[in-house]
This record gives sequence, structure tokens and C-alpha cells, in this order.
Amino acid sequence: DQQVKQNSPSLSVQEGRISILNCDYTNSMFDYFLWYKKYPAEGPTFLISISSIKDKNEDGRFTVFLNKSAKHLSLHIVPSQPGDSAVYFCAASAHSGAGSYQLTFGKGTKLSVIP
Amino acid sequence: DTGVSQDPRHKITKRGQNVTFRCDPISEHNRLYWYRQTLGQGPEFLTYFQNEAQLEKSRLLSDRFSAERPKGSFSTLEIQRTEQGDSAMYLCASSPFGEGVQPQHFGDGTRLSIL
Repeated sequence: DQQVKQNSPSLSVQEGRISILNCDYTNSMFDYFLWYKKYPAEGPTFLISISSIKDKNEDGRFTVFLNKSAKHLSLHIVPSQPGDSAVYFCAASAHSGAGSYQLTFGKGTKLSVIP
Repeated sequence: DTGVSQDPRHKITKRGQNVTFRCDPISEHNRLYWYRQTLGQGPEFLTYFQNEAQLEKSRLLSDRFSAERPKGSFSTLEIQRTEQGDSAMYLCASSPFGEGVQPQHFGDGTRLSIL
């Protein structure tokens, strides 16, 4: 059972336009959400995060929105640039009794920004 | 470069052989995680260390897998009697110890191919 779902395997957007990447989750215990970006042959790079007590967090061109009632979050990239082309992973965390903040990842969305 | 370092980057071995991977986390990061990523999937949690103590293991971590973090610095992940299904990217991540969730920083991974 997939607890974090990214239903769009790929997305193409023109340079300068908005990219919107979506993520749904099922586990109500998740209380922190993160987006990672991954280029081929590299590890995931942290992009932006949001706590469950907030509904929006912004960092430059990147904004993450959280809708707890719908168990849905989205990442907005404005304006999109060719260098944003990568695989984007949504991840969620729930504090375990052992002290781990292990991440549960979605399958990723491959974003292609067309010049 | 003060990021998470993993060695080797690639490992090709025959089925039944033992392999060992090394991870050097960002210095002063108390928390260390191992993940496994297969094609088309997001990273999946394997195990968690807080300093030298292994505090959590995933059900994915069969008894052929063992991880250590002596002295709370670098970590090793060993797979004994490798099987075809072990072929994957093995990722290491570290984060500082602090209040709440701290973003995990990933290495570039070790890609394991079982012949």
C-alpha cells in the first residue's frame, strides 16, 4: 500500500510558465512534508518543506501548499526554468517512537521544462 | 565538499557474493539513514542510526543485511549472499539532531548490480 502517491509520472511545461506538481498521502500520522529534486546519477536534493501546522511555505520560486483535510500537497515553481528539469519526489515524515524521522517517498514526477 | 559521501559509486558482483558499502555523513550530523531505491520507485527506508546506536530497522532489511556505525561517524551496509533482487541504488542520508524534523541530506548513492 502506497502511503505517498504522485499520480503524474511526468509533466512538461514551457519555460517561464508555472509548474504544479501534486502529491497525495493516506497516513494521518504524517506531520512533515518535503520535496526533493533529483538529477540523473545524483542523490535527491532537498528543496522545500512544510509542517502540518502550516498550509503554505514559500522559498523564492518554490511554494508548497498543504491541504490537510484533503491529504494533498502541491509544489508550485514560478517561473519554470530549463534547469528545473529533473525528477521531483514528494516525501512525508512521521516521528517514530525510536526517534527516527524516516521519510516515505512517492514514486516521483519527471518535470521537463521546454525552452 | 562537505556533503554526504558514499563509496563505491558502482558495484557489480555475482549472485551469492558479499558486498559492503560505506557512507560518510556530513560531520556533526547525529542522524544517519539508509534507503534503497529501485527503478521507477522512490527511495525506501532501510535503517536509522542515532550516533552509534541503530534504533530502527525496516522490514525490508532481511537477515542478510547488516549495518553498523562505529563511533557514530561513518556507516557501513553489508549484504551477504547477494540475490538478483538486491540490485538497486543504495542511498545514505544524514541530518542534524534538533527539535522536530530536520531535512535529510543525501549522498549520490551506490548502484549495485547483481549478475
